[in-house]
Amino acid sequence: NAGVTQTPKFQVLKTGQSMTLQCAQDMNHNSMYWYRQDPGMGLRLIYYSASEGTTDKGEVPNGYNVSRLNKREFSLRLESAAPSQTSVYFCASSSKTSPYEQYFGPGTRLTVT
Amino acid sequence: KNQVEQSPQSLIILEGKNCTLQCNYTVSPFSNLRWYKQDTGRGPVSLTIMTFSENTKSNGRYTATLDADTKQSSLHITASQLSDSASYICVVTRPGGGGADGLTFGKGTHLIIQP
Repeated sequence: NAGVTQTPKFQVLKTGQSMTLQCAQDMNHNSMYWYRQDPGMGLRLIYYSASEGTTDKGEVPNGYNVSRLNKREFSLRLESAAPSQTSVYFCASSSKTSPYEQYFGPGTRLTVT
Repeated sequence: KNQVEQSPQSLIILEGKNCTLQCNYTVSPFSNLRWYKQDTGRGPVSLTIMTFSENTKSNGRYTATLDADTKQSSLHITASQLSDSASYICVVTRPGGGGADGLTFGKGTHLIIQP
């Protein structure tokens, strides 16, 4: 039982490049989330998916797109990376019965030069 | 505006000592409050959850308190160990709205335990 997994662990991009961050959970959770964490800012919600087939914007969605591929997988795409997107990205999931108990992945550290 | 303020921002204590971290919130209405521990380079992990009717809850050497009237919570760590070095994040939830809408995160307290 791996919980929430994320790939890659580290990534360096040049400004303007694109990439997709992958997230998968094996806990049969309905809801999945993408956060970014910056020094002094705490965790900020980018996008979330309350159930398979639905996605909604969070606090800081600009510059990102998401896909809920199936119940297990939720990906985050940066179409044209900018230095302001340098951050640590966390994926999380929660069940329908305990929607506020989120289980987090190990994070992806992204640097955009 | 719903806010969660944590203090101090950072704290350094000697191994074996006790410490208390604070969380003040303005979130309303209130459903529950959760403390997360985040080790360096890892994702946050839930330590404890407090509902409106609970004043104190313990998880090993961690004891959380909640005063819903003054909207304050604290996390007390007893007999600190080197492995307690981490960031501690307070998260307050509102009832309803789903798992994303109802959450307000604090910025965390960075705790360093020195040998």
